[in-house]
Parts: sequence; C-alpha cells; structure tokens
Amino acid sequence: DAGVTQSPTHLIKTRGQHVTLRCSPISGHKSVSWYQQVLGQGPQFIFQYYEKEERGRGNFPDRFSARQFPNYSSELNVNALLLGDSALYLCASSPTAGNYGYTFGSGTRLTVV
Amino acid sequence: DQQVKQNSPSLSVQEGRISILNCDYTNSMFDYFLWYKKYPAEGPTFLISISSIKDKNEDGRFTVFLNKSAKHLSLHIVPSQPGDSAVYFCAALGGGTSYGKLTFGQGTILTVHP
Repeated sequence: DAGVTQSPTHLIKTRGQHVTLRCSPISGHKSVSWYQQVLGQGPQFIFQYYEKEERGRGNFPDRFSARQFPNYSSELNVNALLLGDSALYLCASSPTAGNYGYTFGSGTRLTVV
Repeated sequence: DQQVKQNSPSLSVQEGRISILNCDYTNSMFDYFLWYKKYPAEGPTFLISISSIKDKNEDGRFTVFLNKSAKHLSLHIVPSQPGDSAVYFCAALGGGTSYGKLTFGQGTILTVHP
C-alpha cells in the first residue's frame, strides 16, 4: 500500500512568491494535517482537515491556507513568502480527526531565497 | 510557550546498553503522549504511545513511562542497537485546543555506538 505522498520533494522560491504543496493521504484516511519543521526544532502544527472541513489551525499567519478535496488529498498554500518560511513541510494522514494513528509523509523541503 | 520540552539535544549510548530519552510537558489536558523516530530525509515514524490514564506501556524493546504528577515521560530502549540512531521526538495529543493537534518537543538526537 502507498504511504502518504507529498509533492514536490524540494523547491526553491523567491521572497514574495506564492507556493502550493500537495499531499495524498493513505487510502481510507479521511484526515490530513500539515506541520512545519524548522531546522533544529520539532514539527509545528499548521492545519488539520477532516472530511474537507478545517478542524484545527495553529498559530500561523493568514498567508498560510489549506484545503482538502473530495478524494481527501490536500493542498497547503503560502502567499508572500518570507525567508523564515524556509522549512520542511510535513503532511500526516489518519483515519479520523482524533485518531492518533498519524502517518507522516517524507515532506517537502522549501527554501526561500 | 513551549508546552512539550525535550531538554537533552543529544544522547550517546553504547550498543547493548539502555537509552533513556526524557520529555517534560506543562499542559495537564493532553490525552495521549507519543514518541516518533525520524531519519534524515524521511518523515517521523510512530514508535509507541501512552494514554494519559496509564503510567507504563511496553512494546518489544521500547517502554514509555508517564509520571503525571511530575508532568514527565520517558522512553527506554533496551537493548540499544546502532539502527536506533535517529532523532526522537516526544509529542502530545489534544490539550483542550485542537482535538487532533500534535504538539512536539524539540527532539533528541540518539547515537548508538557499536
């Protein structure tokens, strides 16, 4: 069975640009969460979606947005990129919203120059 | 406000000995505590968890202990193997704000020497 897949694996963007990151959950999983991991820190919660609805939002500015599609895949969008947005962005899927059986993808490494 | 803290950035252990990784938390409303292992260029992999109503959970070489009065948990790996070398994250689930939110510590780099 395929795990959580994220695309792209790496990308480089310029300050002020916009970026879209994509995540496909494990088949049958209806919840997708997004985390940001800055070098030397633990992952920080950005969003959780379940059944296409936002179920939680972390302490991130409005430049960060996300959505979940009918097939349960998800996109994370970041506008007006800052140097500080450079990080590893992780997607995790789980069967339901409160189930702690999270499976993480390998992440997208975003570098903002 | 760092609600989950791992105060040891790194730990070095000899193969065959016990590895003890520690984690402290401040929010008494967390429902579950989890340990994840992370290799470079991979996402975190779930290792073991413990409910807030338990004080011990064991799975093979891995045991997690929870001391609620001290708001402290620890992961014991016995015996340690070189393949255990990775970054270990402590995480807490819930906490009264976002139902499915995981709050992570900063991580501890474990190195097991042959």
